[in-house]
Amino acid sequence: DTAVSQTPKYLVTQMGNDKSIKCEQNLGHDTMYWYKQDSKKFLKIMFSYNNKELIINETVPNRFSPKSPDKAHLNLHINSLELGDSAVYFCASSQKSSGNTIYFGEGSWLTVV
Amino acid sequence: DAKTTQPTSMDCAEGRAANLPCNHSTISGNEYVYWYRQIHSQGPQYIIHGLKNNETNEMASLIITEDRKSSTLILPHATLRDTAVYYCIVRVAAGGTSYGKLTFGQGTILTVHP
Repeated sequence: DTAVSQTPKYLVTQMGNDKSIKCEQNLGHDTMYWYKQDSKKFLKIMFSYNNKELIINETVPNRFSPKSPDKAHLNLHINSLELGDSAVYFCASSQKSSGNTIYFGEGSWLTVV
Repeated sequence: DAKTTQPTSMDCAEGRAANLPCNHSTISGNEYVYWYRQIHSQGPQYIIHGLKNNETNEMASLIITEDRKSSTLILPHATLRDTAVYYCIVRVAAGGTSYGKLTFGQGTILTVHP
C-alpha cells in the first residue's frame, strides 16, 4: 500500500481555472505538508499542518488554500490558476513524536496552459 | 536551518561504494543531518539521518565528523537504480519555528554507470 498518495498524478488545465490536488497518508502521522518543485528543480515547502492546524505558511499566494478534513488528508485547492503555477506538487507527512522524519508522495504534475 | 554545501555531481561505478560529501559548518547543536534522494520523476525518498554518531541502515551509512561540520553518505554497493539527486539537509527534528521544514538545496547528482 502506498504510504502517501496523491491524486491526480498529472493535471493539465487552462489559466483561470480552479483545481484541487488530494493527498492521503495511511501512516497514522499527525503532520502533513505540501512542497512545490519548480522548473529549476528547487523543492520548497508551502504549507504544514499538525493535527489539522496550520503551522507553516511560506508566503504562498492566497490563491492556494490547503484544507485538512482530518489528520490523514491534506488537500490543496488552487484558484485562478496562472502559468507560473506549473510545477510538481509533493504531499508529505511525518509524526512529531517519532523523530519527525518526513515521507513524501510521488508528486502531482500540474501544467497550466 | 543551517546551510549545506554539496558537490554538483559525482560518478560511481556499479558495485563500488559511493561516498557523497556534505559540508554544514554552521550546524547548531540541536540540528540533525538528514539525507534524501530523488530519483527521476519520483518523490524525495528518506535515506538516513543522524545527530553526532555514525548511523547505518539497510540503505546507507552516515559518517558525521566529530566537530559535526561535515558528513558523508555512503552507499556501500551502488547500483544503477541509485542514480538520483542526493540532498543533504540539516534541521531541527521537532519543535521550534522551523518545525517540520526541510530546506532543500541543489543536491548532488549521482550517476552510477555500468
